[in-house]
Order: sequence, then C-alpha cells, then structure tokens
Amino acid sequence: EAQVTQNPRYLITVTGKKLTVTCSQNMNHEYMSWYRQDPGLGLRQIYYSMNVEVTDKGDVPEGYKVSRKEKRNFPLILESPSPNQTSLYFCASSLIGGANEKLFFGSGTQLSVL
Amino acid sequence: AQKITQTQPGMFVQEKEAVTLDCTYDTSDPSYGLFWYKQPSSGEMIFLIYQGSYDQQNATEGRYSLNFQKARKSANLVISASQLGDSAMYFCAMRGPPGGGSNYKLTFGKGTLLTVNP
Repeated sequence: EAQVTQNPRYLITVTGKKLTVTCSQNMNHEYMSWYRQDPGLGLRQIYYSMNVEVTDKGDVPEGYKVSRKEKRNFPLILESPSPNQTSLYFCASSLIGGANEKLFFGSGTQLSVL
Repeated sequence: AQKITQTQPGMFVQEKEAVTLDCTYDTSDPSYGLFWYKQPSSGEMIFLIYQGSYDQQNATEGRYSLNFQKARKSANLVISASQLGDSAMYFCAMRGPPGGGSNYKLTFGKGTLLTVNP
C-alpha cells in the first residue's frame, strides 16, 4: 500500500530533550516536506526536500533540523524542544510536477513539549 | 505570493443534501494546482480532489466535484449526497510550479468545518 509513515503518533517530552520524528514513504517520491498545524494559523511548512541531499527552509524552520540521506526517509529533528513547538506535525511527499503532484500526508504526530 | 481564502469557518448540511464549500485563490503563476483535503477529527489529512490550472474540465472524484472558475479565481468544492462521515474540516490548498517562488509547498486556507446533520 502506498503510504507515508510517521512515528510516533503521539509524543510528550520536556524542554531541551532532543527528539526525532521519523518519516518514510514507499512511493519513490522526490519531494518531501514537513508541516506544522496550529489552531488559527493553519498548516505552515517547516522544511522541504526536492531530492536526496537537497533540503531547504520553509516558512518556520527555526528550532528544527532535517536530513535526506535516502530518498524514502526525511526525519525531523528538534535539538532542544521548547513549549512553542507543541503542535501537530505532518510529513508529506509527492512526485514533482504534472498531474500527479498531489501531496500524500502521514498520519501526523501530536507533540507536546512541557 | 500565493494566497488561499476560505470564507466559511463552519457549514451545516442535512444528510443526503449537496453542499458547496467556497475557496478563492490568488497567485501570479500561470501554472498551478488546486487541491482539497479533508481532515476528520482523528487528524489525518485525506486528499479529495485535484484541479490543474490548465485543465479544461472540472475535476470530479466520486461524490466530490470541483467547480473551477479560473477568471474568478475560485475553486469551490461540491459534495453531493452528504453523509454523516463527511463531517470534518475541509482545506483548500494551492501549489505553484516546481522551481517557482513558493518553495513548491502547498499553501492552505484556514479551513471550513462541515457538520452533517442526520
């Protein structure tokens, strides 16, 4: 089954404790991206990647890191989480260009930073 | 810059009736894609329908259709024969061309919360 797999689904942590949210897709997509969703602010892009070893900042990259060492994986790293990073996070992937450019989303990760 | 506007924070519809969710957009790119996603209370984002800016026909996917009016820059979602399971948040979104100034990201509207009444 074609899918984007995110883990964990729920995560509660404390300020300053490094964490990683994993994202993997099995559709051979070039494009991968991370979004955060906050009430009243909608979905905002954090980082994106157009291919292996090619990553760039989105609209709200501060406090986050990503890497794209393999085409299928795009982990999101919070080196020193803070309470303002409490949010619902989505990983997404797609082909690039054409009629097949719809974004497939993972199930989301609800992160709470205490 | 791309912008998506959804003016209906909430909508109510009776089961089995049709409902239209409004979406207007703004972009300077001649090539773009328009999407609708559904987010039920469980939180996942479910793709519903896609319309390309150069598509001549309105997109349809089962009970979903997209009323695309390019000159008016609108891309309304029509759900026919509403079901209780259609109760969810609905997002309109736009994507510019790869290599464009938008980082190829999906720009979302703020969403419309649809409630289907029995």
